[in-house]
Amino acid sequence: AQTVTQSQPEMSVQEAETVTLSCTYDTSESDYYLFWYKQPPSRQMILVIRQEAYKQQNATENRFSVNFQKAAKSFSLKISDSQLGDAAMYFCAYRSAFPAAGNKLTFGGGTRVLVKP
Amino acid sequence: GAVVSQHPSWVICKSGTSVKIECRSLDFQATTMFWYRQFPKQSLMLMATSNEGSKATYEQGVEKDKFLINHASLTLSTLTVTSAHPEDSSFYICSARPLGAGSNTGELFFGEGSRLTVL
Repeated sequence: AQTVTQSQPEMSVQEAETVTLSCTYDTSESDYYLFWYKQPPSRQMILVIRQEAYKQQNATENRFSVNFQKAAKSFSLKISDSQLGDAAMYFCAYRSAFPAAGNKLTFGGGTRVLVKP
Repeated sequence: GAVVSQHPSWVICKSGTSVKIECRSLDFQATTMFWYRQFPKQSLMLMATSNEGSKATYEQGVEKDKFLINHASLTLSTLTVTSAHPEDSSFYICSARPLGAGSNTGELFFGEGSRLTVL
């Protein structure tokens, strides 16, 4: 079974600064998807960024970018120019690309991001 | 697009009663929906996979007779917590996988969640 580990329970960042969230995962599969989801106080899960394992290029979405290291099974999220609205819980998630796996998402434990004005 | 709606968003019930939570995909069809449970300050734990027209697949440790799941159409899945007890109090979240082109992206879309409080 796949596991996803987020080693940082909480991270604090000054507004306009950069913060990097760590995520490692364990899998024997070669093809999969990785995600970062944001959960603000409203509890609505919001997709931040997605990475396909077969793509070597790191995904980027505006101020959000990832550092995907497939061999190391690492998938960190960098938030640049942090804004107050970025304060939330961030979850790293894994999904197998094989239909037989059932399309299930496996989540890490989450990292709380605090943004200081 | 790709909106998933849950209802109710918050429900309080007495111990021993049953509560039904609905999960609807508003602008797409979903053969598969997922139900998660989230305790305060914890991650999302998958409870079961709901498949349209067939029985749900439950994760290990989840009581299927306690948490009844029905996926009667391509846009609706329901989770019924039967004979609820205070320990069932939690935040329940559903997600859906779109049919067609959207299914190739790997992305799932989440509902707003439903907070259950059992007195």
